[in-house]
Amino acid sequence: DVVMTQSPLSLPVTLGQPASISCRSSQSLVSSDGNTYLNWFQQRPGQSPRRLIYKVSNRDSGVPDRFSGSGSGTDFTLKISRVEAEDVGVYYCMQGTHWPPLTFGGGTKVEIK
Amino acid sequence: EVQLVESGGGLVQPGGSLRLSCAASGFTYSDYWMTWVRQAPGKGLEWVANIKKDGSEKDYVDSVKGRFTISRDNAKSSVYLQMNSLRAEDTAVYYCVRGHSGFDVWGRGTRVTVSS
Repeated sequence: DVVMTQSPLSLPVTLGQPASISCRSSQSLVSSDGNTYLNWFQQRPGQSPRRLIYKVSNRDSGVPDRFSGSGSGTDFTLKISRVEAEDVGVYYCMQGTHWPPLTFGGGTKVEIK
Repeated sequence: EVQLVESGGGLVQPGGSLRLSCAASGFTYSDYWMTWVRQAPGKGLEWVANIKKDGSEKDYVDSVKGRFTISRDNAKSSVYLQMNSLRAEDTAVYYCVRGHSGFDVWGRGTRVTVSS
């Protein structure tokens, strides 16, 4: 199984400042079709997860452009250029290249300092 | 509006059974794989099972193999999760999710509590 490792576990951020979350996979997420199936999800308190980014760097409709995804192979990053109060929550990466099983990272909790 | 609505959760004793349902609307249901993902209290997300568009392929996480069965009814735009021999560690919110790896649409979840 592919292990997804996120860091940090907790990320206190000042409003308006940038934030960065790392996600590493135990093997390359490049698929045989050439795509890299790495998604990022946001889960606000008390809500269902919501997809923010798919295939490494593609932002979902309605997602603010302060969110961006990057990376390749086994190393990926989610960046928030300027954190807003509504960004508080837990962020998860997930790989959809090698399955079953599909696997999630352990989550990174973003909070305001 | 694209929507997934789960139902069927509740309190069940260890060893008992529950059947979760998920009703889809707002999209061509038969064009999509469907997935169940769960989240134990205070924990992260765990993929549980998925099913191909026509129901011909099904996959499960090892911890539920032989106990859970995923199925679907394309005429009713619904996916189901039959859960047998439930254990305390199955306690979680169960989410219905569209797709097999994209996971672009999530339901609000249904809570399952396994306890005596």
